[in-house]
Amino acid sequence: GNSVTQMEGPVTLSEEAFLTINCTYTATGYPSLFWYVQYPGEGLQLLLKATKADDKGSNKGFEATYRKETTSFHLEKGSVQVSDSAVYFCALLISGGYNKLIFGAGTRLAVHP
Amino acid sequence: DTAVSQTPKYLVTQMGNDKSIKCEQNLGHDTMYWYKQDSKKFLKIMFSYNNKELIINETVPNRFSPKSPDKAHLNLHINSLELGDSAVYFCASSQSQGERFFGPGTRLTVL
Repeated sequence: GNSVTQMEGPVTLSEEAFLTINCTYTATGYPSLFWYVQYPGEGLQLLLKATKADDKGSNKGFEATYRKETTSFHLEKGSVQVSDSAVYFCALLISGGYNKLIFGAGTRLAVHP
Repeated sequence: DTAVSQTPKYLVTQMGNDKSIKCEQNLGHDTMYWYKQDSKKFLKIMFSYNNKELIINETVPNRFSPKSPDKAHLNLHINSLELGDSAVYFCASSQSQGERFFGPGTRLTVL
């Protein structure tokens, strides 16, 4: 079946540290891949996306590359800020069918000054 | 202007009660969703409506009944609330298979 696996959190970093949150997926067909972010007390916001292999999504200093050979979509940021503290969700969408967006379990990031 | 709005933001109620959560989107999207987020932050799709028709109905107790009076609204009614229903419920919308836009969530606490 289709599924998303994320690294368990929480991830705790100091400000300006390098961030990697791992995400791997299992899918039939050719999914689109997404990272969503949920700030404390808020709903989810789309952070970035990639719709085909080797695409790189980027936004607000975050990047993720769609790697079909390793079925991965790892999220990276070169220098995190306290304001990046949130829960990050990797997700996949299979085109056609019932248009289900399948989420990973979420990874909490805490950035300290 | 708020794109996807939900009411109420917080809902505290007793076991056995019936309650509703309302959702409205002003984006002109044709598809709306309800997701449940449990205490461990895990998100799961519950229902999806496209042009007022139910297209996804996951394994959800039939105490949960979605209602879509029009394309811009998708309400969630829950009968006979149980402790395990406590969660944050998110409404979302999209244009066909496009980006989901999420509402701010409704935190339901069943006592």
